[in-house]
Amino acid sequence: GAVVSQHPSWVICKSGTSVKIECRSLDFQATTMFWYRQFPKQSLMLMATSNEGSKATYEQGVEKDKFLINHASLTLSTLTVTSAHPEDSSFYICSAYLLAGVRYEQYFGPGTRLTVT
Amino acid sequence: AQSVTQPDIHITVSEGASLELRCNYSYGATPYLFWYVQSPGQGLQLLLKYFSGDTLVQGIKGFEAEFKRSQSSFNLRKPSVHWSDAAEYFCAVGGYQKVTFGIGTKLQVIP
Repeated sequence: GAVVSQHPSWVICKSGTSVKIECRSLDFQATTMFWYRQFPKQSLMLMATSNEGSKATYEQGVEKDKFLINHASLTLSTLTVTSAHPEDSSFYICSAYLLAGVRYEQYFGPGTRLTVT
Repeated sequence: AQSVTQPDIHITVSEGASLELRCNYSYGATPYLFWYVQSPGQGLQLLLKYFSGDTLVQGIKGFEAEFKRSQSSFNLRKPSVHWSDAAEYFCAVGGYQKVTFGIGTKLQVIP
C-alpha cells in the first residue's frame, strides 16, 4: 500500500524558535496533503489542506502566519511552526490523498510529536 | 456539515470477549466511512473502510463493520478481543476530500 513518512518523528525546541516538519509520500504522487493536530487524549483536528503549487487552505481558527505550509512538489509538504510556544506542543499528523479511479483514500504519516520548552 | 459521534469514550472488555464500538455519522450524501486505530504515541492505522456495495465490511486484525444507512451508523465489531487490541479507535466520515474524525474510543482489555 501507499506509504507516507514524516520527519522528524519527535522534536524538542525552545520557545520562540521555529520548527519544520516534513511529510512525504514515498511511492505515489499526492497533489493534496492534509495536516492534522492532535492534543492529548483528543481527536484529530484538521488544520489545513495543502495543495501542490498553490496556497494552503486553512481551517477556521488556525493561524496561517504561525503554521506555514508549503507543498512545493508532488511528494513533499512541509509544516513550519513559527515562533513556537509551549501551547503549540502537540502531535502533528499529515496525510496524503490518493485518488484511484473513482475512489480515494487518505494515507496517514506516523506523526511528529512536538514539545516546546 | 459532516460530523461523527462516538458515544463511548472508554470501553473495557475481557480478553476473548466480543467487542462492538459505536459510531454515528452525519453527512449530506453517501458517505465514505473509516475506522482507524491508534496505539499510544503512534500514528493512525486504517482498519477498514466503506465506500459502497456490501454493507458489511471486513478489515484487518479480524475487525468488521456494518454500514446501516437507516441508523446513520457504522459500528465496529470483533468476535474475540486480544490484549494487543488495546488502543484508541477513531471513526471517520468523509466525502471528496475532507475527513472528519470522531473523538475516539479508548479500548482497555483486561485478562
